[in-house]
Amino acid sequence: NAGVTQTPKFQVLKTGQSMTLQCAQDMNHNSMYWYRQDPGMGLRLIYYSASEGTTDKGEVPNGYNVSRLNKREFSLRLESAAPSQTSVYFCASSEFRTVNSPLHFGNGTRLTVT
Amino acid sequence: GESVGLHLPTLSVQEGDNSIINCAYSNSASDYFIWYKQESGKGPQFIIDIRSNMDKRQGQRVTVLLNKTVKHLSLQIAATQPGDSAVYFCAEKAAGNKLTFGGGTRVLVKP
Repeated sequence: NAGVTQTPKFQVLKTGQSMTLQCAQDMNHNSMYWYRQDPGMGLRLIYYSASEGTTDKGEVPNGYNVSRLNKREFSLRLESAAPSQTSVYFCASSEFRTVNSPLHFGNGTRLTVT
Repeated sequence: GESVGLHLPTLSVQEGDNSIINCAYSNSASDYFIWYKQESGKGPQFIIDIRSNMDKRQGQRVTVLLNKTVKHLSLQIAATQPGDSAVYFCAEKAAGNKLTFGGGTRVLVKP
């Protein structure tokens, strides 16, 4: 049982390049999330998908887009990367967003934008 | 358990001793709380959760205590082991299902 799988693990981009971060979960969870983690800032929600077919902005959505491809997969796209997007990105899933259930996280994608 | 700037509060504990990690939460309307453990290079790992209608919950070697009067949450780890070395942070869920994460406390276990 892999849980939440993220690819790639590491990525270096030049300013202006684009890329897509992939996430898949095998727990049959309904809700999926993208967070970024920066030193001293804690985890901040970028986008979430409460259920298949829906996506909503979180706390820091600017510069990002998401796609809930199916129940298992939720991708995060950076259309034109900026140095301010250097961060560690975590995908998470939970059974339901509106019910008190914990988030389960992947191991992250470490992104550097130069 | 809140971070100050880029520096995490650190708790050094002797192997075999009990650890207590504290977290002050901000929203008196929060009704659900979670503790996570994050090891270097890995994602946050769920440890234990507690709903606001409880004041204590026990897991395997861990206990979470909730004091709603002073908006304080603590995680107790019994017989701390080297594998417990990590950053621990709490999260609170308030209105609108928004989950807010604390900055974390680093636990260093000395052999």
